Amino acid sequence: AQKVTQAQTEISVVEKEDVTLDCVYETRDTTYYLFWYKQPPSGELVFLIRRNSFDEQNEISGRYSWNFQKSTSSFNFTITASQVVDSAVYFCALLTGTASKLTFGTGTRLQVTL
Amino acid sequence: GAVVSQHPSWVICKSGTSVKIECRSLDFQATTMFWYRQFPKQSLMLMATSNEGSKATYEQGVEKDKFLINHASLTLSTLTVTSAHPEDSSFYICSVRMNTEAFFGQGTRLTVV
Repeated sequence: AQKVTQAQTEISVVEKEDVTLDCVYETRDTTYYLFWYKQPPSGELVFLIRRNSFDEQNEISGRYSWNFQKSTSSFNFTITASQVVDSAVYFCALLTGTASKLTFGTGTRLQVTL
Repeated sequence: GAVVSQHPSWVICKSGTSVKIECRSLDFQATTMFWYRQFPKQSLMLMATSNEGSKATYEQGVEKDKFLINHASLTLSTLTVTSAHPEDSSFYICSVRMNTEAFFGQGTRLTVV
């Protein structure tokens, strides 16, 4: 069975602080894909990143960075120097060949205040 | 990537009526589309997989007679919530997958009064 756990329900930070959103996944498949999506109040899902199971290289995109650790089955997301516009719900998701379904975590609500 | 258009963005309907939500893949022929439901402050839960030209596959616990899915063409899937009740009020999102990438519609916020 596939499972994604986002233990942090809500995080509140002050602007310019760094914040890390945790994601732990479970799957028996050796080939799988991990995603992060941002869901602002408007509701639409904004794609942030996709990582396949064979690529453990960490990635940086502007203020965003991702740390993929297969040894701990984690795919954490860090926002550096957070901004108010980063306030949203962030979902981690898992896609495996066996299930062929995108399984979402429960999401982390990030609130960035001035 | 694929562009997915969902309509309407929001709808308010009376209890007992039916509501149809459309999901269009504008630049990609999708043999499969996915319908998700998201209750307030909760995650997205897959309701069903819509297959072009055949019956949809529903997830456990989702009533197929209540949530009718029609995937009549490679670019259009519709979800009809029949005899809607207040507990059906939710955010419904469709998705198209191109290989291992998923593209989502803007979502439809349904309120049943």
